[in-house]
Amino acid sequence: DGGITQSPKYLFRKEGQNVTLSCEQNLNHDAMYWYRQDPGQGLRLIYYSQIVNDFQKGDIAEGYSVSREKKESFPLTVTSAQKNPTAFYLCASSYSHTSNVLTFGAGSRLTVL
Amino acid sequence: AQSVTQLGSHVSVSEGALVLLRCNYSSSVPPYLFWYVQYPNQGLQLLLKYTTGATLVKGINGFEAEFKKSETSFHLTKPSAHMSDAAEYFCAVSDLGNTPLVFGKGTRLSVIA
Repeated sequence: DGGITQSPKYLFRKEGQNVTLSCEQNLNHDAMYWYRQDPGQGLRLIYYSQIVNDFQKGDIAEGYSVSREKKESFPLTVTSAQKNPTAFYLCASSYSHTSNVLTFGAGSRLTVL
Repeated sequence: AQSVTQLGSHVSVSEGALVLLRCNYSSSVPPYLFWYVQYPNQGLQLLLKYTTGATLVKGINGFEAEFKKSETSFHLTKPSAHMSDAAEYFCAVSDLGNTPLVFGKGTRLSVIA
């Protein structure tokens, strides 16, 4: 079945360490997104990519970086510059950037110790 | 820029009662509107969407929503709540489908037996 796979599901990190969250899709979707979810804050857009080798900053990009070298993959790196990285991270994809029907992964929960 | 306001961070209803989750949006152009549902520790699933055409939109699991331009609203309803409806619900908006989705802060629905 087609879908989005996020890994790891749970991740613990010490302060000052970078960590990379994986997002892979086999839906043949052009567009991919990363959202951050905090209790009571809803989902906030970190980065999105409309096509391979191109990506744009979202509303809260500071302290994060991404790459889009393959259509299927859109990894997110949480750097040590992110002041409050503990959160639930959701990856999503859509057929194109003008199709807002998003398919979501199951999420990755990052805890900074 | 578009935005979404969901009234009520927590709504509690009895099993069999009407479910009403409120969503108001702000958009400078005709909006595309969405409702997503999230079960604990999972990603989001699309419930329904409005792009153009009929203003009353039917979705999965017996939910529906009505786009009211004059009230800038897109409230979600279900005639009879079921225990399995307990989840968090997110309203989202996009400007004509040309921008990434902007999500509201979510409403947690509890269903009491």
